[in-house]
Amino acid sequence: KAGVTQTPRYLIKTRGQQVTLSCSPISGHRSVSWYQQTPGQGLQFLFEYFSETQRNKGNFPGRFSGRQFSNSRSEMNVSTLELGDSALYLCASSPGNRDRAYGYTFGSGTRLTVV
Amino acid sequence: GDSVTQMEGPVTLSEEAFLTINCTYTATGYPSLFWYVQYPGEGLQLLLKATKADDKGSNKGFEATYRKETTSFHLEKGSVQVSDSAVYFCALLNSNDYKLSFGAGTTVTVRA
Repeated sequence: KAGVTQTPRYLIKTRGQQVTLSCSPISGHRSVSWYQQTPGQGLQFLFEYFSETQRNKGNFPGRFSGRQFSNSRSEMNVSTLELGDSALYLCASSPGNRDRAYGYTFGSGTRLTVV
Repeated sequence: GDSVTQMEGPVTLSEEAFLTINCTYTATGYPSLFWYVQYPGEGLQLLLKATKADDKGSNKGFEATYRKETTSFHLEKGSVQVSDSAVYFCALLNSNDYKLSFGAGTTVTVRA
């Protein structure tokens, strides 16, 4: 069974540009969550999608957005990039039902560097 | 809101030593608790989990017991190996929410 696939693995962008990151969840999983990991702030929740609907959102500015497609694949977009957006962006998938015992399976992440 | 507090690192041990990483939490309701591990350059891997009080999660020689009375979920391993060198994260998933709340992470280095 394939795991969570994130593309690209590495990305270098210039301040002011925008970027789109992609995540393909485990087959059959309907929930996709996004997290930002930085040395200073640790792991912070961005948002979670289930069946194409955003169910939960973290405390990030509106420059951070996401969406989920009918095949459960998800994208997140960051517009007007700032140096502080440099981070590892992690995607996690789960079945999406209320079985808390499952937890979440993470992808390897996309390393975004803003210069 | 929900929060997780982990012991500060880094932790440096010799091979075959005993490892404990303390984790305490604050949450409403009855959260599920997890330990994740992150190796250099990789994402998070689920190490073990517990979904209710007194449950013990275990995997690869690691164990943690969900203690509701002390709101704790300490990670232990009796004999560490060099390959256990990684960053360990304690996390909780609230029963009313769809997001994981993570601790700051503890870096563990095991020397041969």
